[in-house]
Amino acid sequence: AQKITQTQPGMFVQEKEAVTLDCTYDTSDPSYGLFWYKQPSSGEMIFLIYQGSYDQQNATEGRYSLNFQKARKSANLVISASQLGDSAMYFCAMRNLNTGNQFYFGTGTSLTVIP
Amino acid sequence: GAGVSQSPSNKVTEKGKDVELRCDPISGHTALYWYRQSLGQGLEFLIYFQGNSAPDKSGLPSDRFSAERTGGSVSTLTIQRTQQEDSAVYLCASSSSSGTYYGYTFGSGTRLTVV
Repeated sequence: AQKITQTQPGMFVQEKEAVTLDCTYDTSDPSYGLFWYKQPSSGEMIFLIYQGSYDQQNATEGRYSLNFQKARKSANLVISASQLGDSAMYFCAMRNLNTGNQFYFGTGTSLTVIP
Repeated sequence: GAGVSQSPSNKVTEKGKDVELRCDPISGHTALYWYRQSLGQGLEFLIYFQGNSAPDKSGLPSDRFSAERTGGSVSTLTIQRTQQEDSAVYLCASSSSSGTYYGYTFGSGTRLTVV
């Protein structure tokens, strides 16, 4: 069975500092995708970054980077130079790319950026 | 439209009443998904549409829940005889293909409160 684990229910970071949000996953499928979504108080899920299981390099998108450690089955999100607008819930998700009908989501991490 | 549109944004209903939640996906997106997010929880998969058919209904929690999609576009999620445990945010997402390597586009959700 596929499973996503986020062990940090809440995190605080000082503005302009970097923060790492943890995510581990479990799957028996060799071909999968890992995703991070941001959910602000408005409720919409905003796609941030994607990492494929066969990608050799860690994904980066602006201030977001994904620290992908395949052997450890971890896909941590790193946000650099935190901004007040980064305060939100962050969800890690996984999708089996061969039968990608659904995402499996973690329980999320609430990030608060302190001015 | 430019994004995934859901209506209503908020719905308060009495226990035992039926409710209909609407999702208008991005034009041309063939795949449509419904998720449920209970307070403080991750997203729970409900149902997946490819065109007008639903090859995966495995997440519907009971026979009180049903969904349809017409014209390969708008989808309606119906909950009959609502119960208090149905209170949650119902999120809809669409993508251009079930096989896409990239994320869905989510709507802002419908917050359902059963009193």
